Amino acid sequence: DAKTTQPPSMDCAEGRAANLPCNHSTISGNEYVYWYRQIHSQGPQYIIHGLKNNETNEMASLIITEDRKSSTLILPHATLRDTAVYYCIVRPTDSWGKLQFGAGTQVVVTP
Amino acid sequence: NAGVTQTPKFRILKIGQSMTLQCTQDMNHNYMYWYRQDPGMGLKLIYYSVGAGITDKGEVPNGYNVSRSTTEDFPLRLELAAPSQTSVYFCASRTGTSGRKNTGELFFGEGSRLTVL
Repeated sequence: DAKTTQPPSMDCAEGRAANLPCNHSTISGNEYVYWYRQIHSQGPQYIIHGLKNNETNEMASLIITEDRKSSTLILPHATLRDTAVYYCIVRPTDSWGKLQFGAGTQVVVTP
Repeated sequence: NAGVTQTPKFRILKIGQSMTLQCTQDMNHNYMYWYRQDPGMGLKLIYYSVGAGITDKGEVPNGYNVSRSTTEDFPLRLELAAPSQTSVYFCASRTGTSGRKNTGELFFGEGSRLTVL
């Protein structure tokens, strides 16, 4: 499975957009990009996923580069409740849904 | 719906003891997973199941056993507890059906915190 690289931590001011980068330079054509977050040792929570096209839902937007080697998760208006560890995961379509979690990015939203 | 329910939430074991972590889901999901998370680390897959009667190993299966006799339940068994098994254990599930509305997301329980002394 393709590996991902994320910065270990980043800060964001409340109300501003948070842009979380993820590098997945070895991604192959049948692999999706998934984003999850984990708030204070709770179970991880699904945010969004995509294959080629940019995606948006009520939580966030996902921008995938044309060569698919990197992506950015955008939280449009960060709130204090968005403080969490964010995981970028690459998952093959034939992996029985298994997800391989890395260390993620610790995002701290400050007032 | 309760979603994914794990019991117990906390447990302290002595070295060599055995115990079972329970996981049940009420979403009629085919796929279920057990992960462990050590402090400051990401989650590692222990075992998974794609349906009743079918289980397979993940990244770190040693020291654990699972069974899947029903769609709803996926218990994780620790036979001889060791300090290295001190961790937080998460159970998750997802639907196996395909379709445009299926995001493939995993639904996680709240975790079971195990300490082996």
